[in-house]
Amino acid sequence: DQQVKQNSPSLSVQEGRISILNCDYTNSMFDYFLWYKKYPAEGPTFLISISSIKDKNEDGRFTVFLNKSAKHLSLHIVPSQPGDSAVYFCAASEPWTDKLIFGTGTRLQVFP
Amino acid sequence: GAVVSQHPSWVICKSGTSVKIECRSLDFQATTMFWYRQFPKQSLMLMATSNEGSKATYEQGVEKDKFLINHASLTLSTLTVTSAHPEDSSFYICSASGVAKNIQYFGAGTRLSVL
Repeated sequence: DQQVKQNSPSLSVQEGRISILNCDYTNSMFDYFLWYKKYPAEGPTFLISISSIKDKNEDGRFTVFLNKSAKHLSLHIVPSQPGDSAVYFCAASEPWTDKLIFGTGTRLQVFP
Repeated sequence: GAVVSQHPSWVICKSGTSVKIECRSLDFQATTMFWYRQFPKQSLMLMATSNEGSKATYEQGVEKDKFLINHASLTLSTLTVTSAHPEDSSFYICSASGVAKNIQYFGAGTRLSVL
């Protein structure tokens, strides 16, 4: 049972435009959500996170939105740059554990 | 800050041999370390969680005798794949937490190829 889902396996965006990556979850007990970026043959790099008590968190070009009623979060990248091309994973955790449950990833390609 | 080093980055071994992978937190003390496995084009699957000085907690379906985890200090955890077989070939990634709650910092991963 996949508790964290990223239904779009890939996304292609033009440089300078907005990239929106989506993530849905089923476990209402999740209280913390994270986005990671991963290049091939490398470990994931932490990007941004959000607590369930918030609905938005912003860090530079990256903004994460959380809609708890819909059990949905999204990552916005504005403006998109070619260096943003990578696989993006969302992850979630429950309050009593440090374990992260990862989604299946979305491959973002930013073209000139 | 929050750098995690993982070695080796790539290892090729013969079937039946054992392989050890090291994971070190370089600039922080890792209260917990995690080991993941990633198959091509799939998500990261948590194999086990380890805390310094205690036995690792393995996820369901992961053979603890096959994948030995030692967390000897607050900066070092090792994963030993014992009697490796071709089906163990995969990308193994470690992570560590201890800087901020819920945030894991990942190593670069180890590509294991068993011939």
